[in-house]
Amino acid sequence: EPEVTQTPSHQVTQMGQEVILRCVPISNHLYFYWYRQILGQKVEFLVSFYNNEISEKSEIFDDQFSVERPDGSNFTLKIRSTKLEDSAMYFCASSGQSMNTEAFFGQGTRLTVV
Amino acid sequence: TQLLEQSPQFLSIQEGENLTVYCNSSSVFSSLQWYRQEPGEGPVLLVTVVTGGEVKKLKRLTFQFGDARKDSSLHITAAQPGDTGLYLCARSRYNQGGKIIFGQGTELSVKP
Repeated sequence: EPEVTQTPSHQVTQMGQEVILRCVPISNHLYFYWYRQILGQKVEFLVSFYNNEISEKSEIFDDQFSVERPDGSNFTLKIRSTKLEDSAMYFCASSGQSMNTEAFFGQGTRLTVV
Repeated sequence: TQLLEQSPQFLSIQEGENLTVYCNSSSVFSSLQWYRQEPGEGPVLLVTVVTGGEVKKLKRLTFQFGDARKDSSLHITAAQPGDTGLYLCARSRYNQGGKIIFGQGTELSVKP
């Protein structure tokens, strides 16, 4: 069964460092998303991406964040200068041929900023 | 902002008991989704309800969408330890890139 895969599963980084979280969406999907979940809190939308551009972003997704689809398979989230409060689970998701289809989530990357 | 409020936030019950989880909003939704999230994993879609008053069953899980499409409930019959997890209600904004807005979730623990 096709699935969304994320790497790494756990990333520890020092405050101020740049991190890149990687995702391989389901191959024929067209819509891609990043969400985050701070420990004990709800899953929060960060950004959606379609047709090689951001279609919507939340207020969390400030200038420190960027997304890229560098090739036909990967979808990345970059945090330029990490802060302690960026520590969270980051989930990538993708959905299919239309926005009305189910979104499938990856297993997440646990980012710990120390 | 269309918020989704879930209750209770935490629920700890014994195996075999029944339970109901609620999801409420002041806004009307065209559809509402229920997800289940296990520790260390991403949310997995259980069901989408679309029509006011709609009832959907998934084995021991019964999902209902309120008549006014502003609330929903999830009822689990004879809960099992395998039902343990975080249950999230959510809505998708299909006209804006399919963004999903989640409630804060109900953490369910079913003890054997």
